[in-house]
Amino acid sequence: DQQVKQNSPSLSVQEGRISILNCDYTNSMFDYFLWYKKYPAEGPTFLISISSIKDKNEDGRFTVFLNKSAKHLSLHIVPSQPGDSAVYFCAASVRWDMRFGAGTRLTVKP
Amino acid sequence: DARVTQTPRHKVTEMGQEVTMRCQPILGHNTVFWYRQTMMQGLELLAYFRNRAPLDDSGMPKDRFSAEMPDATLATLKIQPSEPRDSAVYFCASGLAGLAGAADTQYFGPGTRLTVL
Repeated sequence: DQQVKQNSPSLSVQEGRISILNCDYTNSMFDYFLWYKKYPAEGPTFLISISSIKDKNEDGRFTVFLNKSAKHLSLHIVPSQPGDSAVYFCAASVRWDMRFGAGTRLTVKP
Repeated sequence: DARVTQTPRHKVTEMGQEVTMRCQPILGHNTVFWYRQTMMQGLELLAYFRNRAPLDDSGMPKDRFSAEMPDATLATLKIQPSEPRDSAVYFCASGLAGLAGAADTQYFGPGTRLTVL
């Protein structure tokens, strides 16, 4: 069962513009949400997280938004850079049980 | 620069052979996770250890897969006998769980790419 869904397999944006990656989840018990970035032949790298008691967390160019009523998570990257091109996974967890989305491939064009 | 390490990075084997994958978690972390990434299923949790004790292996095919933590610096995932459908990238991750059991961020190793012919 896909408890975490990333409905866009790919996204292409121009350098300097905003990238918005979206994620939906179904389990209302999830209380911790994360975004991971993955380059080819490497493991996922932690990017940013948010707990369910917040609705926004910001770290430099990266901001994660959480809408609990809609069970929706998004990652904003502003401004986007070519080095941001990677596959982005969203994840949601309750205690140790972390579920991942299928990933969105972001391409930032110079 | 603390990292999760995994060996081997690549493994090609024939159907029926035993495969052992190793993981060294980040020093001080008390949780270890094994995941499998396939094109169809994305990242699937296979096993979870906390303080070296296996707490969840419900995602693992029990008849052929086994996971252990002989000590705090080594986690192993074994497949015996291996089958072509086991071909995937296997990731190990470690983290630091609090007293209440809530997990912190998981840090992933580079993965072992397994090909079973």
